[in-house]
Amino acid sequence: ELKVEQNPLFLSMQEGKNYTIYCNYSTTSDRLYWYRQDPGKSLESLFVLLSNGAVKQEGRLMASLDTKARLSTLHITAAVHDLSATYFCAVGAQGGSEKLVFGKGTKLTVNP
Amino acid sequence: DAGITQSPRHKVTETGTPVTLRCHQTENHRYMYWYRQDPGHGLRLIHYSYGVKDTDKGEVSDGYSVSRSKTEDFLLTLESATSSQTSVYFCAISESRGRGTDTQYFGPGTRLTVL
Repeated sequence: ELKVEQNPLFLSMQEGKNYTIYCNYSTTSDRLYWYRQDPGKSLESLFVLLSNGAVKQEGRLMASLDTKARLSTLHITAAVHDLSATYFCAVGAQGGSEKLVFGKGTKLTVNP
Repeated sequence: DAGITQSPRHKVTETGTPVTLRCHQTENHRYMYWYRQDPGHGLRLIHYSYGVKDTDKGEVSDGYSVSRSKTEDFLLTLESATSSQTSVYFCAISESRGRGTDTQYFGPGTRLTVL
């Protein structure tokens, strides 16, 4: 059974600082997604990672995937207040299934 | 943004009553999903559909049924609502190109309260 674990679950950081959110998963998968959710809103797709060593960057966010370690990271560079949100990773179940298993989310608060 | 609407957006109901939530898409995507979101649990898949009249269970399907009679509509029914089904329900869609690599796009959500 595929399990997805995110760390940390809560993250409070100052503007201008760097930090990393980790997403570990328990079984082999061929795809991993990162989403952002603002309070009371829906989920917004950030990145899709499909192969070992994949790296995607958008603004101050960079996501990477290590399929051998079953680990993805979401790195935040020089955080700004607008990045405050909850970030979810989601991992695709193997075998061509369309099912995704989500982590519990990391609530990020960026303080001035 | 993907064309996904959910109705109703908010609903309060009583234990034991039937409830149907509707998801409507204008993207003609093949796959549709229902998730529930609860504090401390992230999102959990309830049911999904891979075509008209083709559905399958997710990890928390007990107490829920679904139907898809048209490509654009996916209905989630709680036959007899319980307080444990108080949650925020999200519909999602994706257009698989055969390897399940496509992103799932989410609707605005329905907040359901069962008293």
